[in-house]
Order: sequence, then structure tokens, then C-alpha cells
Amino acid sequence: GAGVSQSPRYKVAKRGQDVALRCDPISGHVSLFWYQQALGQGPEFLTYFQNEAQLDKSGLPSDRFFAERPEGSVSTLKIQRTQQEDSAVYLCASSLRPTNEKLFFGSGTQLSVL
Amino acid sequence: AQSVTQPDIHITVSEGASLELRCNYSYGATPYLFWYVQSPGQGLQLLLKYFSGDTLVQGIKGFEAEFKRSQSSFNLRKPSVHWSDAAEYFCAVGRISSGSARQLTFGSGTQLTVLP
Repeated sequence: GAGVSQSPRYKVAKRGQDVALRCDPISGHVSLFWYQQALGQGPEFLTYFQNEAQLDKSGLPSDRFFAERPEGSVSTLKIQRTQQEDSAVYLCASSLRPTNEKLFFGSGTQLSVL
Repeated sequence: AQSVTQPDIHITVSEGASLELRCNYSYGATPYLFWYVQSPGQGLQLLLKYFSGDTLVQGIKGFEAEFKRSQSSFNLRKPSVHWSDAAEYFCAVGRISSGSARQLTFGSGTQLTVLP
């Protein structure tokens, strides 16, 4: 596609529900990042994929967060048993190569946990 | 660990006025520094980046930034602001992560309002 696509654009979940957020990176991009952006804050790193390999998941806040990229293209961020503190915008970004410094960001998924 | 401080939460300038957004970083080695802009409902867009060499870097939309190692700063400037520049601006420092990818640490952002 022309850019990084994320869906859904908005997600409202009841506390305790599981959610799945999708990221469709630019075709051919090797690197894929997930960031979490709380209201009024800058994005914070969650996890990084190089093709299908999850090389860094040091930013995932708890074991309720799980990400995958099984075929090295589309990625899904799953949050189990959502809590109110999970409310944030979840941003996906991709780059052509790991050493390519230009990241292309999607518009994000705004998650609200009630 | 690296960190980024953007001391100004909100800045208001008149259209046509000059702009400077402050950014201070903490990083143990030579930093990779970035400025991103985020408009409402849009993804972050890279304005400019610094890795090495000339400490004054030019970016898109008429922005520039100057790396000052002695002050641990990377301030963003524009000589004449346009109404379309109203947005949130994020400074970021990158470090090499697994697989040589650049993992970014962002500041908390500066919201820019432009008055007509």
C-alpha cells in the first residue's frame, strides 16, 4: 500500500475484554515497530520485528501484551484482559531495512478501555 | 538509558514569526537525533535527522535543527512559521536495537499553536 495502515481506527473495550490491533506495513518493509502513546505523552517503544522474527519485546508492559508477524508482513498486537491503563493510541511504524532510519508511521489505533 | 526532554509543553507564535522548539537529550554515546511532527489524526512524519557530520541539518517544510554536543541539545527552528505548521512536535533519540534497528525514545512533545 501507499502507507502504513492500521485498523481499527478506534476501539472501545470493556475492562477484561481481549482486543486485537492490526498493522499493515508498507509492502517490502523489513522492520516493524509498535509504540504506545498515552494522552499527552510521546510514543513509547513496545516491540520490534525484523521480518517475522520478534527481536525485541522489552517494551511490552506486561504478559497481557502479545505481538506477532507470522509471515513477515501484517502484524497484530493483542492485549488480553484489557485494563483502563491500557487506554492509549497504539502506533505501528515500518522501515525498508533495519538500518534505514526513516520510519513510516501509521495513524494509530485509539484504544479506550471502559 | 537514553532520555529526551522537551521543556515546552505548548508554544504559541504568530504566523510569519520565527520558531524555536527546545530538545535536550541524555545518551551515553553519539546520539542519533530526530524531529517528528504529528498532526491530528495523522501518523508521525519525519522532519529531519542527525547522525554525524554537519551539526546544522536541514529538513522538510523549511525546518532546520542544530546539534550542540556541549549543551546536549537539538533544537528545531524555522525562520517564518505558516499556519499549517500548527501540530505537535516530537524530538527523539535513537539507539541501536536488536538486528541493528534504530529504537526511538521520544520526548513528551511540544504543541505548537499558530495565530493568524
